[in-house]
Amino acid sequence: KAGVTQTPRYLIKTRGQQVTLSCSPISGHRSVSWYQQTPGQGLQFLFEYFSETQRNKGNFPGRFSGRQFSNSRSEMNVSTLELGDSALYLCASSLHLGMGTSGGYEQYFGPGTRLTVT
Amino acid sequence: AQSVAQPEDQVNVAEGNPLTVKCTYSVSGNPYLFWYVQYPNRGLQFLLKYITGDNLVKGSYGFEAEFNKSQTSFHLKKPSALVSDSALYFCAVRDDNYGQNFVFGPGTRLSVLP
Repeated sequence: KAGVTQTPRYLIKTRGQQVTLSCSPISGHRSVSWYQQTPGQGLQFLFEYFSETQRNKGNFPGRFSGRQFSNSRSEMNVSTLELGDSALYLCASSLHLGMGTSGGYEQYFGPGTRLTVT
Repeated sequence: AQSVAQPEDQVNVAEGNPLTVKCTYSVSGNPYLFWYVQYPNRGLQFLLKYITGDNLVKGSYGFEAEFNKSQTSFHLKKPSALVSDSALYFCAVRDDNYGQNFVFGPGTRLSVLP
């Protein structure tokens, strides 16, 4: 089975621009989560999608948004980029079925997209 | 609110010696606990999880972890460390009673010295 794929792997943008990152989950996984990883803040949860609906959202400004398509693929968008948005953005998928169901499913991570904002 | 602490930023151990990477957690309900490993410039790889049942769980690459409910801990262990185990290790918790999203610890960098 193919793993989680993320595109692009590396990206360099300028302050004020916007960026869209893409994630394809493992086949059969309907839950997709996004994380921001920085040396100073560690792994921070951005949002989780299940069946095209955002189920959870982390503490990030509205410049960060995402969506999930009917085939479970997901995109996240960051508008008006700031220098502090430079990070590794990780996508993870799981068999988790959403709130109210067992949270015991592990997440499988993609290799990440390294975003550099200059 | 749920939280995870990894009290050591760095753990150094000699090759062949046992290793322990510590994790403590706080949840309002029943915890689902996970360990992940991250190698340079890579995503996180799942190692093992505790859902219910035996307090000692075994995972990939010879790692195991012990769930201790009274101490709210989930320490990662390996009987004999390898140089290739050197990486960043993350403990994570998910609580069905709170939001359902994962919370990750800050990570512990493990260095296994030859």
